[in-house]
Amino acid sequence: GAVVSQHPSRVICKSGTSVKIECRSLDFQATTMFWYRQFPKQSLMLMATSNEGSKATYEQGVEKDKFLINHASLTLSTLTVTSAHPEDSSFYICSARVQGRTEAFFGQGTRLTVV
Amino acid sequence: AQSVSQHNHHVILSEAASLELGCNYSYGGTVNLFWYVQYPGQHLQLLLKYFSGDPLVKGIKGFEAEFIKSKFSFNLRKPSVQWSDTAEYFCAVNDGTGGFKTIFGAGTRLFVKA
Repeated sequence: GAVVSQHPSRVICKSGTSVKIECRSLDFQATTMFWYRQFPKQSLMLMATSNEGSKATYEQGVEKDKFLINHASLTLSTLTVTSAHPEDSSFYICSARVQGRTEAFFGQGTRLTVV
Repeated sequence: AQSVSQHNHHVILSEAASLELGCNYSYGGTVNLFWYVQYPGQHLQLLLKYFSGDPLVKGIKGFEAEFIKSKFSFNLRKPSVQWSDTAEYFCAVNDGTGGFKTIFGAGTRLFVKA
């Protein structure tokens, strides 16, 4: 149980376009999902906390207009990187918390390359 | 601000050697502590967690960790490592606020020589 799936696993896009990444909890309902960014050989940096049915809470320094987060249902959160630039190239990882438990479960990540 | 510090960025060991990876955190109250592992090309997996009770917790694959509240530490140990333990290890903490948002340490890259 507690499987989190991200799609796509890899995406290449042109500079200036937008890319949507989906995060799904497959066998549980996730009232809270988290989006992280991981640069090569670095740790996971929390970008935002996504709550079902409400606006996401962004960490300091994260541009909310650039990284749009939508959590429209209890099993799906999406991250849209708008007007992508090469510096947005990174590994994006989502996690979802099972209500009543202290830990979150992670998706397999999405490698975004902006050319 | 809340933070998590991992002491070693790179560790190289021979098979059968013992492992201890350090982790300290700077939260003031009750915390939930985790160690995650990321094998090459794979996603994060939970090794073990602590949220209450016995401060010595045992996880998967022979790993264990000890929570020492007075030292704000949660060090990861394994008595005898294997080549297959080559991976990156992340210490992580949440305090139940912000929807249990979890903050990660910088990670320790472990390489085990066969």
